[in-house]
Amino acid sequence: AQKVTQAQTEISVVEKEDVTLDCVYETRDTTYYLFWYKQPPSGELVFLIRRNSFDEQNEISGRYSWNFQKSTSSFNFTITASQVVDSAVYFCALSEAKGSGGSNYKLTFGKGTLLTVNP
Amino acid sequence: EAGVTQFPSHSVIEKGQTVTLRCDPISGHDNLYWYRRVMGKEIKFLLHFVKESKQDESGMPNNRFLAERTGGTYSTLKVQPAELEDSGVYFCASSRLGQDNYGYTFGSGTRLTVV
Repeated sequence: AQKVTQAQTEISVVEKEDVTLDCVYETRDTTYYLFWYKQPPSGELVFLIRRNSFDEQNEISGRYSWNFQKSTSSFNFTITASQVVDSAVYFCALSEAKGSGGSNYKLTFGKGTLLTVNP
Repeated sequence: EAGVTQFPSHSVIEKGQTVTLRCDPISGHDNLYWYRRVMGKEIKFLLHFVKESKQDESGMPNNRFLAERTGGTYSTLKVQPAELEDSGVYFCASSRLGQDNYGYTFGSGTRLTVV
């Protein structure tokens, strides 16, 4: 069975601080995908990144960076120089391929981390 | 393009009543998913449509939940009769065929409260 653990329930930082959100996953699949989603106060889940299990390169997008380490089954997310607009719930998720052709990428989510960035 | 639209955004009903949630996916998206987040817990998969067909409904909690997608466009999720434990946020998501592993587009969710 697949499992995603986000051990940090809530994090509070002051603007301009760097913050890392942890994500640890469990899967028996050799091929899988990892995701991060952001849920701002408006409620929708906003896709941030997808990483497949064969690509361990870290990724940077502006102030956001992701560190994928298969050896520790972790996919951590760092926000550099945090801003108030970064305040949201962040979800890490893992997908499994199921069904003919692997077309059903059902997501397994962690419980989410509430990030509050104070001015 | 317009996003995934869900309505109502909030619904408060009494135990034993019926509620129908609606999801309008992005036009052209044949994949449609329903997920649910019960307070303080993970977001969990409910079911997956490909066009009008149910591809996977393994996450549906029980037979009080009925999802439909007539004509392969919008989808409804009916809860009848609603119980207290059905309270939570119901998310809908959609994607094009063959592109769901890129991270599908979610709606804003319907917050259901059963009292």
